[in-house]
Formats: sequence, C-alpha cells, structure tokens
Amino acid sequence: EPEVTQTPSHQVTQMGQEVILRCVPISNHLYFYWYRQILGQKVEFLVSFYNNEISEKSEIFDDQFSVERPDGSNFTLKIRSTKLEDSAMYFCARGPSGANEQFFGPGTRLTVL
Amino acid sequence: QKEVEQDPGPLSVPEGAIVSLNCTYSNSAFQYFMWYRQYSRKGPELLMYTYSSGNKEDGRFTAQVDKSSKYISLFIRDSQPSDSATYLCAMLVTGDYKLSFGAGTTVTVRA
Repeated sequence: EPEVTQTPSHQVTQMGQEVILRCVPISNHLYFYWYRQILGQKVEFLVSFYNNEISEKSEIFDDQFSVERPDGSNFTLKIRSTKLEDSAMYFCARGPSGANEQFFGPGTRLTVL
Repeated sequence: QKEVEQDPGPLSVPEGAIVSLNCTYSNSAFQYFMWYRQYSRKGPELLMYTYSSGNKEDGRFTAQVDKSSKYISLFIRDSQPSDSATYLCAMLVTGDYKLSFGAGTTVTVRA
C-alpha cells in the first residue's frame, strides 16, 4: 500500500518562529501519526490522530505542538515557537483500519537556527 | 532499563552472507513486532510485521519472536549490497498507538 507524502522536504526556520509540516494521504486513511528522529537518535512517537481527534500523545508533545486535519485531507503538525532542539526529521505515518501496521512518509527535515 | 534495546553496530558482511539482527525488550505487554529498513535521511520502510510469538518468512527475510525471552530477530538471507541500510525494530502494545523503536542497527553488505 502507498504511504503518505510530506511537504516540505526541508524547512529552515529561525528560533521562535512557527512552522507547519504537512502530510498528504494517498487515499482516505483514518489513522495518522507523527514521529520525530533527532540526528543519530531513535525514532520517537509524538502523537496519534484518529477520526479527527488526538488518540494518544507523548510527553514530548507539549503545548508548543498541535495537529489538525483542516480540510479533511492534509494532516498538519504545527510547532508554535520553535527551539533549537526541535531540529529533527519529522515523519508522518498512516495506519490501515486495524491501526497496527504503520507506514511512514519520506519525512520533513526541520532545521532551527 | 531501556524499553527496547538494539545493538547499533555497525555490522559489515560480504555479499551472500546471512545478516542476523536482534532486539530485546522489557515491556511484556508488547504484542506486535515490526522491522523497518531506513536509508539515510529517508522514512522507515516496513519490512516485516508479526503478532505475538513465532516465525514469519517473506522472501529472503525471516522474522522471529520469542516472547518468553523478550527477544526478536530478523534474518536476511543471501544479502545484497542494496540491503545496506539501518534496520529498526519497533513494538506495539495491543490497543495502543505508540510504536516504540530500537536505536537501529547499521548494516553494510560488501560487494
């Protein structure tokens, strides 16, 4: 099954700025996830989103982060005021109806200066 | 103790060799076990997915789960240079949404 596409592939921003990362599903999926991977570190879970609601979030996903599906299609991750330590690869993943297998997109590389 | 442990390697093998990768875990509630392949600066690609204990084979890939030992393995037979990548194990509790990943093992298959 196809994964999802993500835009942009690379985002450079200044510390304190807001960024929006986008995930575009290929077909009408219900389960979505955001993960991040800091260079040289593990892939870390941020949040899961099912049927237009957050179903689970990690301790990393604090008030600086938000997710939404504004037009019923794109799935976005917003970081309100970026910090240097937000620099990482951000991956969107989608699940099938069973929600156990997760298929990852190509990622967005976020660089905070 | 880390929830999922995976030796980062690196592991270097000659073409045609069997690659053996493994992870251990501490959370006995994990029921779903996955192996992903990740090329540099790309997204993880799902290779194998197994539920509970047992073996699963798909082409050159075999995944094994031993829940009694909290140990999972991935074997790659007849390895090719194109298999050179980082291999990530990941696990999931039933009814949960959060995948817990290992650190990844970097594999190089020498031609």
